[in-house]
Amino acid sequence: NAGVMQNPRHLVRRRGQEARLRCSPMKGHSHVYWYRQLPEEGLKFMVYLQKENIIDESGMPKERFSAEFPKEGPSILRIQQVVRGDSAAYFCASSPGILNTGELFFGEGSRLTVL
Amino acid sequence: KNEVEQSPQNLTAQEGEFITINCSYSVGISALHWLQQHPGGGIVSLFMLSSGKKKHGRLIATINIQEKHSSLHITASHPRDSAVYICAVLNTGTASKLTFGTGTRLQVTL
Repeated sequence: NAGVMQNPRHLVRRRGQEARLRCSPMKGHSHVYWYRQLPEEGLKFMVYLQKENIIDESGMPKERFSAEFPKEGPSILRIQQVVRGDSAAYFCASSPGILNTGELFFGEGSRLTVL
Repeated sequence: KNEVEQSPQNLTAQEGEFITINCSYSVGISALHWLQQHPGGGIVSLFMLSSGKKKHGRLIATINIQEKHSSLHITASHPRDSAVYICAVLNTGTASKLTFGTGTRLQVTL
């Protein structure tokens, strides 16, 4: 049973380009979470999705950021017109149920560098 | 003041020592998670607690809901335990939004 798979592991973009980060949850998990870790800072919640639905996006910046989790395929975190401040590690996690019922499984993260 | 505070921020121990990392929070919670972030950056969930105590190998996690405090203990520490340990709480009223502490960086030396 493969773990949470994220790709790419490393992504370099120039200012103004788009970044797409992909996350395949563990088999059987329908709850997906995205977190951002800025350099030398703690993790911050961004968004919580279930299949085809955004449940909680209260941690997402209002502009340029979007997330989806389609019926088929991985969850995608999309950052349009990237700026240097978007440079961070983006972690995806999945769970079999809501977070007060069991464990959370993390991917290895995608490290975005904006030049 | 952060909703989740961890202490110490940095900890150096010699192999074999007993280690305690503390987490205090200021909000009502339904669950608390302890995570381990390896030097390479990957994150592993160690425990999910809503009451009492859990043990897994050399790791023990406890929580006191009344005092809003949790501890992570490592017995017989080893250099491979060197990592950042992160406490995260799930506020009551949310099913999804974890709030994270800033982490405790542990270095275990020979």
